[in-house]
Amino acid sequence: EDKVVQSPLSLVVHEGDTVTLNCSYEVTNFRSLLWYKQEKKAPTFLFMLTSSGIEKKSGRLSSILDKKELFSILNITATQTGDSAVYLCAVKAVQGAQKLVFGQGTRLTINP
Amino acid sequence: GAVVSQHPSRVICKSGTSVKIECRSLDFQATTMFWYRQFPKKSLMLMATSNEGSKATYEQGVEKDKFLINHASLTLSTLTVTSAHPEDSSFYICSAVILAEGTDTQYFGPGTRLTVL
Repeated sequence: EDKVVQSPLSLVVHEGDTVTLNCSYEVTNFRSLLWYKQEKKAPTFLFMLTSSGIEKKSGRLSSILDKKELFSILNITATQTGDSAVYLCAVKAVQGAQKLVFGQGTRLTINP
Repeated sequence: GAVVSQHPSRVICKSGTSVKIECRSLDFQATTMFWYRQFPKKSLMLMATSNEGSKATYEQGVEKDKFLINHASLTLSTLTVTSAHPEDSSFYICSAVILAEGTDTQYFGPGTRLTVL
């Protein structure tokens, strides 16, 4: 059974800190890994990763995938209170339709 | 671009009634839409994959006669919760994949919070 595990489940830091969120997966026929940010409503797309070792960057957020070790990290530098959210990692396998398997999410709280 | 809307955003109904939730892709066509369910402080659980012009594919453990999905056009999918029960109270989210893009990126709607009394 395909599985995605995120850690930590919850993280509280101070504004300005740097955080690293982890996502490991066990998926048959891996195709891509996606990161989403979920605040009060539906998730918003952050990154899609398909190749190992290539960092994707958007402002203070960056992410990288290691297909050999089956994990990805999401880094946020100089955190702001607006970064407080649940960060979801999802993996897509080749088989079947384009469905995603989601991890449990990491609840990140940034205190001023 | 890539905006997905859901209607209603919030609904409260009595046990035994049916509730229809609409998911629309506003500025793109989507052959495939997905319906998820999310319990408080939990992750998204895929319920079914909705394909335009064909029957939906349901995940294991999801009752297809209870959660009716219709994908009548390239921009609209509906989820009908039949004979609603308090246990069906949840946050329902749809997502869509852009037909022309051919990528794996799913764009999510804002969700519908269903409360069954």
